[in-house]
Amino acid sequence: EADIYQTPRYLVIGTGKKITLECSQTMGHDKMYWYQQDPGMELHLIHYSYGVNSTEKGDLSSESTVSRIRTEHFPLTLESARPSHTSQYLCASRQGYEQYFGPGTRLTVT
Amino acid sequence: QKEVEQNSGPLSVPEGAIASLNCTYSDRGSQSFFWYRQYSGKSPELIMSIYSNGDKEDGRFTAQLNKASQYVSLLIRDSQPSDSATYLCAVNRSGGYNKLIFGAGTRLAVHP
Repeated sequence: EADIYQTPRYLVIGTGKKITLECSQTMGHDKMYWYQQDPGMELHLIHYSYGVNSTEKGDLSSESTVSRIRTEHFPLTLESARPSHTSQYLCASRQGYEQYFGPGTRLTVT
Repeated sequence: QKEVEQNSGPLSVPEGAIASLNCTYSDRGSQSFFWYRQYSGKSPELIMSIYSNGDKEDGRFTAQLNKASQYVSLLIRDSQPSDSATYLCAVNRSGGYNKLIFGAGTRLAVHP
């Protein structure tokens, strides 16, 4: 099982602000993922990475960007937050076939 | 047609009963299958993985896989109110992709 950390856990921020959601894991997993999930709705993959300097867009188009400069760190950035970005953002990493999720960041843009 | 289909529920069962959750998938080449439990407002938690046809048991949970029918199920024996959650079925895409495809989830309600 992986230890995956996400900060902040909750964020309320005004429109137009730049935000970075942090995700880190301590197990040396190569594969990391970002999902977006609205309450009671499906998980949507928005970004993934198979290793350092590797990032790809997921199945759901997102205005966010990601980077993977270190194996353990996979931050997600929104350059200009909008109310439509209000959602829960879940980070995950994968060892072999099994994928584990972090606790999530609940973002509210006012 | 979605790649992974689940009945959205809610599936309501009395405490102590067996809850049966079903999932079908479209990618015939898929080889690995997972069940996640997600409590309201929390992140998904991996509870079962299955890779071969047949049954796999872990405590009160049994996963069943039938690749010919493209069907995965999860049985929860002696259901408890604490089992009330949304259960997500996930399938690994074939063809070398390392991405899980998630179903929309089945909401389970266990009533005392």
